[in-house]
Amino acid sequence: SQTIHQWPATLVQPVGSPLSLECTVEGTSNPNLYWYRQAAGRGLQLLFYSVGIGQISSEVPQNLSASRPQDRQFILSSKKLLLSDSGFYLCAWRLLSGTGGINEQFFGPGTRLTVL
Amino acid sequence: ILNVEQSPQSLHVQEGDSTNFTCSFPSSNFYALHWYRWETAKSPEALFVMTLNGDEKKKGRISATLNTKEGYSYLYIKGSQPEDSATYLCARLTGTASKLTFGTGTRLQVTL
Repeated sequence: SQTIHQWPATLVQPVGSPLSLECTVEGTSNPNLYWYRQAAGRGLQLLFYSVGIGQISSEVPQNLSASRPQDRQFILSSKKLLLSDSGFYLCAWRLLSGTGGINEQFFGPGTRLTVL
Repeated sequence: ILNVEQSPQSLHVQEGDSTNFTCSFPSSNFYALHWYRWETAKSPEALFVMTLNGDEKKKGRISATLNTKEGYSYLYIKGSQPEDSATYLCARLTGTASKLTFGTGTRLQVTL
């Protein structure tokens, strides 16, 4: 069976510090991978997605970057955190079927990031 | 409709009540509509993936309908129970067939 891991579960960081959040998926190959953020009082916003190793698409201009060094590893980073980066970060994976991708997404447990 | 919109934003019902909420989305370039349930302190879990106009899906006391021509989906919960308390998210699969655009959710609270 497939599982998805995220760490850390919670993080408190000062403004201007770097960030690295990691997500790994087990039990599947060549998944699409996604990073979402839920800021306070707002919905889930797609930040990045990846259809393969080294392939990253950014959805919104921001202070964050993503990388996919291995098939089942997705990393969210920042060189200098801003207060507005606070939120709940979710990683997700999904397989594309031959019909063009109507499969559900599976979400990780999330990371609560507080920037002070 | 330019974005995925959900209403109401929140809902408070008594145990045993039936309830429904709405997801509205752009009808052009439609691929699929997803519904997720997000309970506090857990990850969102998929309820339904709907693709065809007129689709109706059911899982226990929860069901959903889809109208792709007018761009809306309804989620129904029959005989609400406290364990149904959660935020219900809908998401539209966009033209690239890779990305989901989520609504802000409907927060449901069911009390005894």
